[in-house]
Amino acid sequence: NAGVTQTPKFQVLKTGQSMTLQCAQDMNHNSMYWYRQDPGMGLRLIYYSASEGTTDKGEVPNGYNVSRLNKREFSLRLESAAPSQTSVYFCASSHRGNNQPQHFGDGTRLSIL
Amino acid sequence: GQQVMQIPQYQHVQEGEDFTTYCNSSTTLSNIQWYKQRPGGHPVFLIQLVKSGEVKKQKRLTFQFGEAKKNSSLHITATQTTDVGTYFCADGLSGGYQKVTFGTGTKLQVIP
Repeated sequence: NAGVTQTPKFQVLKTGQSMTLQCAQDMNHNSMYWYRQDPGMGLRLIYYSASEGTTDKGEVPNGYNVSRLNKREFSLRLESAAPSQTSVYFCASSHRGNNQPQHFGDGTRLSIL
Repeated sequence: GQQVMQIPQYQHVQEGEDFTTYCNSSTTLSNIQWYKQRPGGHPVFLIQLVKSGEVKKQKRLTFQFGEAKKNSSLHITATQTTDVGTYFCADGLSGGYQKVTFGTGTKLQVIP
């Protein structure tokens, strides 16, 4: 039982390059989330998917797109990376409904040069 | 939008001393979740408080939810080096259905 698995763990991109961050969970959770974490700013929600087939914007969605491929997988795409997107990205999942604890992956450390 | 503020931002304590972090909101919180993130790690869920005035304990950790549901605190008694990390509170409903708004976090350093 791996929980939430994120790939890759580290990535360095040049400005303008694109890439997709992958996330998969094996806990049969309906809801999945993408956050970014920057020093002193806590965790900010980029996009979330309350259930398979739906996605919604979070607090900071600009410059990102997401795909809920199936119940297990939720990917985050940067179409044209910018230095401001240098951050640590966390994927999380939870059971559907309010007040559910979130389970996080180990994160992807992304640097944009 | 809804903001959940935590104080202090950083705290250094000598091993064995107590530590408290506070979580404050200008509006009523639906519930409070607390998470711990070890250095280089990911946030891990600790506990959830739902009722006004609720107090829960986990070994040396005591969690409180304010009577007005606008604040919460986490108190660690006799800190140990294993307590090092960043502690986040999170409001479970303020951002809308299923969205969680995380506080800015308190980074705890324990000096052996």
